[in-house]
Amino acid sequence: GDSVTQMEGPVTLSEEAFLTINCTYTATGYPSLFWYVQYPGEGLQLLLKATKADDKGSNKGFEATYRKETTSFHLEKGSVQVSDSAVYFCALSEWGAQKLVFGQGTRLTINP
Amino acid sequence: DVKVTQSSRYLVKRTGEKVFLECVQDMDHENMFWYRQDPGLGLRLIYFSYDVKMKEKGDIPEGYSVSREKKERFSLILESASTNQTSMYLCASSSPTGPYRDTQYFGPGTRLTVL
Repeated sequence: GDSVTQMEGPVTLSEEAFLTINCTYTATGYPSLFWYVQYPGEGLQLLLKATKADDKGSNKGFEATYRKETTSFHLEKGSVQVSDSAVYFCALSEWGAQKLVFGQGTRLTINP
Repeated sequence: DVKVTQSSRYLVKRTGEKVFLECVQDMDHENMFWYRQDPGLGLRLIYFSYDVKMKEKGDIPEGYSVSREKKERFSLILESASTNQTSMYLCASSSPTGPYRDTQYFGPGTRLTVL
């Protein structure tokens, strides 16, 4: 079945550091790919998405590119802030399935 | 803005009790979902519903049931709570059509503790 694998956490960085959180997937078809973020004490919210190969999703300084050849959707940000501290989830949705398959989540802590 | 609300943020119940978790969305979404979130396991789908009175099992339905009598409301029921059902429960909704058809909108979660 479909699956998503994220890099192990937790990840701790200093403010203004470069961030990469790796995500790879296994899918039988052509999924849409997502990054969701969960701030402390809150539910998940969509951070960005990409629906086809080579698409780049971007939001709040975060970016991720849909790489079909490497089945990856790595999350990057050039300069993180303390307010980016959260848990980040990579997910996929097969076309027409409407269900999401989530990775295990990566907890990110940014120190001032 | 889409709003998904859950009836309780924190809940403490005893083993064997029947537990109801309620979820309401205000965007007329057809799809609704219940997940549980556990450290290191991410989110796992318990049940989902594509329409009123329709339900489908997710990956971990054992020990749970659901009810969807109205489009905006999706209830998760623990028939006889057990300690291994202590977890964070998240509800979500989505629309099957339009530019945001793949995007799920989440409630704030209910942290359930079963003693």
